[in-house]
Amino acid sequence: DAKTTQPPSMDCAEGRAANLPCNHSTISGNEYVYWYRQIHSQGPQYIIHGLKNNETNEMASLIITEDRKSSTLILPHATLRDTAVYYCIARRGYSGYALNFGKGTSLLVTP
Amino acid sequence: GAVVSQHPSWVICKSGTSVKIECRSLDFQATTMFWYRQFPKQSLMLMATSNEGSKATYEQGVEKDKFLINHASLTLSTLTVTSAHPEDSSFYICSAKRGTSADNEQFFGPGTRLTVL
Repeated sequence: DAKTTQPPSMDCAEGRAANLPCNHSTISGNEYVYWYRQIHSQGPQYIIHGLKNNETNEMASLIITEDRKSSTLILPHATLRDTAVYYCIARRGYSGYALNFGKGTSLLVTP
Repeated sequence: GAVVSQHPSWVICKSGTSVKIECRSLDFQATTMFWYRQFPKQSLMLMATSNEGSKATYEQGVEKDKFLINHASLTLSTLTVTSAHPEDSSFYICSAKRGTSADNEQFFGPGTRLTVL
């Protein structure tokens, strides 16, 4: 899996958009970008994934640059419940291997 | 759908005792389950990969005789921490992968907090 780099922490005001960046400059053509989050003392939760097109679901949007070397997870209207550690993971699709969690970004949403 | 449960959610035990943690996929068959542990303020670290009906594959540095993994059915994997010591205190999390090769998504359990006194 390609290495990913994320800022260790970010703050966001409640109701505003939270934009979480991720660098994956060595990503290969068949590797997807996955995002998970972990709320304190809970198991990780899947958010979204994509290959090269931008993706959107009920939780978030994923913007991947044209060269695929970086991406941004967007939480459009952050709430206090979005406070969590967010992990960006690059990996091949249809893989049976475990997920390699880096250090992630600790997002604090403030009132 | 795709719910994974763990039992117990937390456990406190005395040093030297053994503790068993169960991981169940409630509404799907999981041919592969993964066990992670997480120390405070650290990320998840993979301990082992468990395939139904075969021996688990342990990551480097994880003692297979201390952390016994059994995956006897398509919906249940167990992790037994034998002769637990305070340094084994951690948050243990399992994940399960659905059986079809075209489905890569892994579903995580809520975790088990182990405290060894």
